[in-house]
Amino acid sequence: QVQLVQSGAEVKKPGASVTISCQTSGYTFSTYFMHWVRQAPGQGLEWVGQINPRGDSTRLAQKFQGRVTMTRDTSTSTVYMDLHSLTSDDTAVYYCGRDGSLYAAVNWGQGTLVTVSS
Amino acid sequence: QAVVTQEPSFSVSPGGTVTLTCALSSGSVSTRSYPSWYQQTPGQTPRTLIYNTNVRSSGVPDRFSGSILGNKAALTITGALADDESDYYCALYLGQAIYAFGTGTRVTVL
Repeated sequence: QVQLVQSGAEVKKPGASVTISCQTSGYTFSTYFMHWVRQAPGQGLEWVGQINPRGDSTRLAQKFQGRVTMTRDTSTSTVYMDLHSLTSDDTAVYYCGRDGSLYAAVNWGQGTLVTVSS
Repeated sequence: QAVVTQEPSFSVSPGGTVTLTCALSSGSVSTRSYPSWYQQTPGQTPRTLIYNTNVRSSGVPDRFSGSILGNKAALTITGALADDESDYYCALYLGQAIYAFGTGTRVTVL
């Protein structure tokens, strides 16, 4: 079955960068887009962006442009999200979500908590 | 940027029916917005309920249904159970590979 396993929790200082990974299995990696979604404590879901694992193209929500990089490694079926210049507002749980080719995430990773604190 | 708005909260009686809506600040929601719906209980991973307006995700019971009502997307829960007490989020495709989640609706079953 489809599985998305994310990397563990991170604690970072303001101004630092963080890399979160999402290792996939159970499907053809290059066929389906991957979304990244975050949720700040007590807040709603927020779409960060998506990557096309076939060609490495990405699209980001406007507020993340210039600060987020998404990449993939086809040899390990893993996608990565880098978030730079962290502030306390970036403290959140970050989820990867596999798109089912119908404009929606249908499988989810378990989430990665990123805490930004001095 | 477009804002996607949902009702903050709803209360429904066990066995009752509730319809949540999802509106787009910049215009009407249509099937070309490919609305999807997600259920999330606090501390848990989101669960995909509906995609492509009205397609239930695998394992989702048929008491959950999606539709377009007027110029909004809608999620209807028919015959609500205590287990349905959760936060519900819609998501819309805005075009050019850009998406947005709604503000979320907390549903209480009592």
